[in-house]
Amino acid sequence: GAVVSQHPSWVICKSGTSVKIECRSLDFQATTMFWYRQFPKQSLMLMATSNEGSKATYEQGVEKDKFLINHASLTLSTLTVTSAHPEDSSFYICSALQGVRGTDTQYFGPGTRLTVL
Amino acid sequence: AQSVTQPDIHITVSEGASLELRCNYSYGATPYLFWYVQSPGQGLQLLLKYFSGDTLVQGIKGFEAEFKRSQSSFNLRKPSVHWSDAAEYFCAVGTGGGNKLTFGTGTQLKVEL
Repeated sequence: GAVVSQHPSWVICKSGTSVKIECRSLDFQATTMFWYRQFPKQSLMLMATSNEGSKATYEQGVEKDKFLINHASLTLSTLTVTSAHPEDSSFYICSALQGVRGTDTQYFGPGTRLTVL
Repeated sequence: AQSVTQPDIHITVSEGASLELRCNYSYGATPYLFWYVQSPGQGLQLLLKYFSGDTLVQGIKGFEAEFKRSQSSFNLRKPSVHWSDAAEYFCAVGTGGGNKLTFGTGTQLKVEL
């Protein structure tokens, strides 16, 4: 199957700093990528939909100025957590859609564990 | 708004036993339904999906799921569980054309040898 990578897999940062997480589709082009957040023992919550060459669409309640998403190419989307605080500590997961139809498959990255001190 | 309920947080089965993981959804239209498995250090892997047609869906690794509209359910089954099936399983409903996924809270499966 298709492969999606994330970098870094684990990051620790100080409160007030910014952290960038990369999501790459390694063997296919993805017009659309998605960013999720997963709290311990909880489900994945969709944060935003990232479309190549256009602005991301954020879900209700997600601060777009705090979670900056850039989808600059068909294989790369980045999530920047700006001015991170301890409450932003979480597991961030991206997925890439192989195709454009609702019946196409999303491939998920392994996730990035963010810890803000 | 759509929602997914997985009533069982933890399930333990013996290797070789049958398995059924429950999933109930709430959505006003015909749903796109998915089951994913998440293993530590790995991304979610799609086990199977339902869009239309035959309500019994076959997936990878010997899994199957049955869509029951009258019960708003999409339960995942496997006739004989292997120790390698131990993982967390997520049910999801797709909206917005099918791509926007709403996940359930997951079921952690433990397999006893």
